[in-house]
Amino acid sequence: SQQGEEDPQALSIQEGENATMNCSYKTSINNLQWYRQNSGRGLVHLILIRSNEREKHSGRLRVTLDTSKKSSSLLITASRAADTASYFCATLSTGANSKLTFGKGITLSVRP
Amino acid sequence: GAGVSQSPSNKVTEKGKDVELRCDPISGHTALYWYRQSLGQGLEFLIYFQGNSAPDKSGLPSDRFSAERTGGSVSTLTIQRTQQEDSAVYLCASSLASSWGREQYFGPGTRLTVT
Repeated sequence: SQQGEEDPQALSIQEGENATMNCSYKTSINNLQWYRQNSGRGLVHLILIRSNEREKHSGRLRVTLDTSKKSSSLLITASRAADTASYFCATLSTGANSKLTFGKGITLSVRP
Repeated sequence: GAGVSQSPSNKVTEKGKDVELRCDPISGHTALYWYRQSLGQGLEFLIYFQGNSAPDKSGLPSDRFSAERTGGSVSTLTIQRTQQEDSAVYLCASSLASSWGREQYFGPGTRLTVT
């Protein structure tokens, strides 16, 4: 079963609006990462948040982490057409030999 | 600087044939990862190389899959006797540190189609 599950599966918004994407996971984590994937391309790392952090910002991106609810959200403010992509959360569980586990992704479409 | 590169970008092969996929990581990155991404799915871990340590092969789906990393740099993923279910995008990533907790830098992937 997936460790990280994103919600919603697909999101369509108008340029200028904010986009909020959520990720839930099942086990205790060391960190959680968000990646973006443009069509036909590899994944690009966006932001990493550690288990002892609650919020991080990077440009127009804001990530929150609630370890009590085992969930994270990625907020993209003032969206642009260029933000159209798939977004993945990836979690690194605690414990030996843990690996980065990716969710199935959220497809974001930003209409110009 | 140069990112992670993969070749070929697309590969169409007949069922039963062997294929080799190549990954050139970012220079100086000690960790290298292979993933498989099927349509509409997340990334499935295949294999992980870290320096001179024995690779973590725990994600390889069958013994038809193998990978090597020569000189701590270039890696080749080999799929023998390909099956239609092997059709997917194969992604390679590298990272600076040995820890899985660091950000990974991905290549553009190789789209494999088995007919």
